Amino acid sequence: AQSVTQLGSHVSVSEGALVLLRCNYSSSVPPYLFWYVQYPNQGLQLLLKYTTGATLVKGINGFEAEFKKSETSFHLTKPSAHMSDAAEYFCAVNYNQGGKLIFGQGTELSVKP
Amino acid sequence: ETGVTQTPRHLVMGMTNKKSLKCEQHLGHNAMYWYKQSAKKPLELMFVYNFKEQTENNSVPSRFSPECPNSSHLFLHLHTLQPEDSALYLCASSLDRENSPLHFGNGTRLTVT
Repeated sequence: AQSVTQLGSHVSVSEGALVLLRCNYSSSVPPYLFWYVQYPNQGLQLLLKYTTGATLVKGINGFEAEFKKSETSFHLTKPSAHMSDAAEYFCAVNYNQGGKLIFGQGTELSVKP
Repeated sequence: ETGVTQTPRHLVMGMTNKKSLKCEQHLGHNAMYWYKQSAKKPLELMFVYNFKEQTENNSVPSRFSPECPNSSHLFLHLHTLQPEDSALYLCASSLDRENSPLHFGNGTRLTVT
């Protein structure tokens, strides 16, 4: 079955440190890829998306992600973490089957002062 | 302001009650969705409507009954729920069912007692 895997349900970094949240998908056909963020007591908000074209995608709040077909990955990065980045992050994949979006299980990011 | 408004934000109901969740979007989107978010589980797609027509029912129990009177409004009618139905229910919309990003509301936190 097609799936999306986020490695690590919880990631903790220090303020100013690099943020790396991992996402791998399972398909030989490049899907459409998304990262969403969920702050406490809120719904999900789109951070960035990859459909076609340049494999390095820039999103809001200084985040970016790189689509690597050979690794079937779409990891999310940010050079320097801020306290306000503490939230849950979801990778989502559209395998072009009727537009159904499949979400990963989420990674909770904590940022230490 | 997300563009997708859900009411109520919190709901506590007994197992014999009947209640409804409401979702409204004024983004001009044609597709609307109900998701269930439970602790430590991936987001579960429940229902999808496209141009007011239900296009997906993801094996949801009949105690959940969706209604989409027009492209801007979506309801989830609840009756004889179980305690395990307690969760955050998220509404989302998208321009179309293909690869448009989802716009989420802030959710309704449902507790079934």
